[in-house]
Amino acid sequence: EDQVTQSPEALRLQEGESSSLNCSYTVSGLRGLFWYRQDPGKGPEFLFTLYSAGEEKEKERLKATLTKKESFLHITAPKPEDSATYLCAVHSDYKLSFGAGTTVTVRA
Amino acid sequence: IAGITQAPTSQILAAGRRMTLRCTQDMRHNAMYWYRQDLGLGLRLIHYSNTAGTTGKGEVPDGYSVSRANTDDFPLTLASAVPSQTSVYFCASSNQWGTEAFFGQGTRLTVV
Repeated sequence: EDQVTQSPEALRLQEGESSSLNCSYTVSGLRGLFWYRQDPGKGPEFLFTLYSAGEEKEKERLKATLTKKESFLHITAPKPEDSATYLCAVHSDYKLSFGAGTTVTVRA
Repeated sequence: IAGITQAPTSQILAAGRRMTLRCTQDMRHNAMYWYRQDLGLGLRLIHYSNTAGTTGKGEVPDGYSVSRANTDDFPLTLASAVPSQTSVYFCASSNQWGTEAFFGQGTRLTVV
């Protein structure tokens, strides 16, 4: 069975303080690893898809990387508007399996 | 604007009543999914459909049914609602290559 574990559960950062979120996974037949951002009361918002070890993708202050067993979401010089829950999901065969998420709070 | 539309946005439902949550997408995605999101448990897959005319069970299918008569619509039905089905329900869709997957805005359901 596919498993996705995210750490830490919560992360409190000062504005400008860079950090990384971890997503470790076990899956048979990975078709893609997804990162989402979710704001309170909203649906998950698609950020990135990564397909193979060594791949990296960037969007503004966010950079996602992928190895054979885990993915990292790096937040560089975060701003308060980066506060959200970040979800990782693996796509295998017929479904997306999600981790529990990391809630990031960025203080001004 | 392309995307996924869910209805209703929220609903309070008496236990034992039947309820259908609606989901429509206009991206011509082959695959569609229903998830429930509960505090501390994350997003759990209820049912999925890889293409029109086919459906499958996810990890928490009991008490729910789905149908996929066409590409765009994927309704979720609670035949006889129970309080444990109180949750936020999200519909999602993805293309056949798995390169993108998008979510609706969610339906907040309270069963009393």
